[in-house]
Amino acid sequence: DAKTTQPPSMDCAEGRAANLPCNHSTISGNEYVYWYRQIHSQGPQYIIHGLKNNETNEMASLIITEDRKSSTLILPHATLRDTAVYYCIVRVATWGSQGNLIFGKGTKLSVKP
Amino acid sequence: GAGVSQSPRYKVAKRGQDVALRCDPISGHVSLFWYQQALGQGPEFLTYFQNEAQLDKSGLPSDRFFAERPEGSVSTLKIQRTQQEDSAVYLCASSLAQGASNQPQHFGDGTRLSIL
Repeated sequence: DAKTTQPPSMDCAEGRAANLPCNHSTISGNEYVYWYRQIHSQGPQYIIHGLKNNETNEMASLIITEDRKSSTLILPHATLRDTAVYYCIVRVATWGSQGNLIFGKGTKLSVKP
Repeated sequence: GAGVSQSPRYKVAKRGQDVALRCDPISGHVSLFWYQQALGQGPEFLTYFQNEAQLDKSGLPSDRFFAERPEGSVSTLKIQRTQQEDSAVYLCASSLAQGASNQPQHFGDGTRLSIL
């Protein structure tokens, strides 16, 4: 079973920031938080991941709470092309572990003009 | 650079036929994963390779499913005697290093399999 909880759907106005929440209250110390998105008819696309600290890349920012029990993915200026299902996944990241991803149902983000 | 490539993109087969789905991972990637995605659901793990070794096949739904990666690069997922419940999108992903190791998996666009 997935170890994360996400809202099933969210709307966002084009040009505004999209803030996607994720709860992972049972996360372990050796588990990273990964975010992927899946646009219709495409494979999942890696967005960002983090362990404890906030992370930022060219696509998004990841804010992880101090207790690591929840996180937020931020798309700073959402465009229509950001409409997709967003998956928050916790993943063991120790050497030798397999690391297959366990997907939940994700959040369907609809960016509206 | 080139990403993960899967072929065919679409496959239609009659119930009872055998099918083979191909995955070309990113060059140099050690780990390769297969996932199955039913309509409206998230992908589910099928099997994992580290180079040519199949280290985990616990997600394969039945013995009709078989995967190989003989030279540690291209992988093939074969389904024998297909049934209607095999209809799904089959996704392949690869990552640079062994196991998790803080390396993201990169996915292909999948093969959409329809069994009539």
